[in-house]
Amino acid sequence: DADVTQTPRNRITKTGKRIMLECSQTKGHDRMYWYRQDPGLGLRLIYYSFDVKDINKGEISDGYSVSRQAQAKFSLSLESAIPNQTALYFCATSDPMGQGAETQYFGPGTRLLVL
Amino acid sequence: QKEVEQNSGPLSVPEGAIASLNCTYSDRVSQSFFWYRQYSGKSPELIMSIYSNGDKEDGRFTAQLNKASQYVSLLIRDSQPSDSATYLCAVTEGYQKVTFGTGTKLQVIP
Repeated sequence: DADVTQTPRNRITKTGKRIMLECSQTKGHDRMYWYRQDPGLGLRLIYYSFDVKDINKGEISDGYSVSRQAQAKFSLSLESAIPNQTALYFCATSDPMGQGAETQYFGPGTRLLVL
Repeated sequence: QKEVEQNSGPLSVPEGAIASLNCTYSDRVSQSFFWYRQYSGKSPELIMSIYSNGDKEDGRFTAQLNKASQYVSLLIRDSQPSDSATYLCAVTEGYQKVTFGTGTKLQVIP
């Protein structure tokens, strides 16, 4: 079974709709992240959480919100989707301790199309 | 604003050759450096991590770090068509979040 899972894997929605992308992990990591990836722009950080009570904005948080329901679950919401939020979204986890600290473990991604 | 710079490519090399991928970073206090490989439509996966100056080898892959020049590179020896992918450089300072470069696309020509 995959250590980091994302649902849905693909989503088509319309402008103005609210949608939620979900991420679950079985790695036992405290740190979780949401990234979006666009051609030519690489991976950009949307939000990150270092533990259940800690939520931080990344470089492109406008138009997004998150919820850390438990150590293993981190959800990303688009309150009112717009076409320029069309992208590939990745959830990731990391463990800050020990050798290999901050290695990012990525989920399979969610491909989102906003019409 | 911490920056990680990579040539977007594509970098084309013949099968069996050495592929050299380069990355520069702006934050002098950066401590940990990573190379990820990403196949088209897939998620990034870690290839190498390096924390101190010098070379680190793992099979056909060698990571090189020069903190004085703020430069990290990845060498792939005996390149194979299966190495064709986008390679992402990533940098972190201490226990902080990671900053990714935009990636270099590598094409290995049979």
